[in-house]
Amino acid sequence: QQQVKQSPQSLIVQKGGISIINCAYENTAFDYFPWYQQFPGKGPALLIAIRPDVSEKKEGRFTISFNKSAKQFSLHIMDSQPGDSATYFCAASINGNKLVFGAGTILRVKS
Amino acid sequence: KAGVTQTPRYLIKTRGQQVTLSCSPISGHRSVSWYQQTPGQGLQFLFEYFSETQRNKGNFPGRFSGRQFSNSRSEMNVSTLELGDSALYLCASSLYGDYGYTFGSGTRLTVV
Repeated sequence: QQQVKQSPQSLIVQKGGISIINCAYENTAFDYFPWYQQFPGKGPALLIAIRPDVSEKKEGRFTISFNKSAKQFSLHIMDSQPGDSATYFCAASINGNKLVFGAGTILRVKS
Repeated sequence: KAGVTQTPRYLIKTRGQQVTLSCSPISGHRSVSWYQQTPGQGLQFLFEYFSETQRNKGNFPGRFSGRQFSNSRSEMNVSTLELGDSALYLCASSLYGDYGYTFGSGTRLTVV
């Protein structure tokens, strides 16, 4: 029940395209859903996060869509750029602590 | 504003030895969490410290321990190292241990 399932495992997108990464969870007690971006040799960096009382949150080119009834949430990267090439992790937690991470998606944006 | 600092960046240890990793959180942050990252298991929560007290613990054996000092700096210790302990160990800090954790760049531990 603590798992967060993330898909796809890897993704190749053309420059300017939309990258979409999906996550699903089981534990309905989760109340915080962040996305992290990780470059090689670096720790994960918080991109954007959402709470379950909101269905969508947008920050620049990054949007989280949240479907509470389906227990799913997704990250959309609009106008994807080569600099967005990284590994993306979704996560979930109760009260923001003890993050449970998805397995990660390796994104490659082709120029 | 300085970020989360982890030392050392790289470590090579032999099976059976013990190791101590250090983490300096962002100034003013009182919560420090530790995570293990491996290709097979991904990112897994180890434990969280807040005001020198362990507040949360993940599913790791007792060989993994930690502590936090009065200045919020934290150390993590792994005793009797096993080959499977080879991983990137990440420290993250936040103001109150609720939201918005900032991660350090990690310590890459290799056990041979």
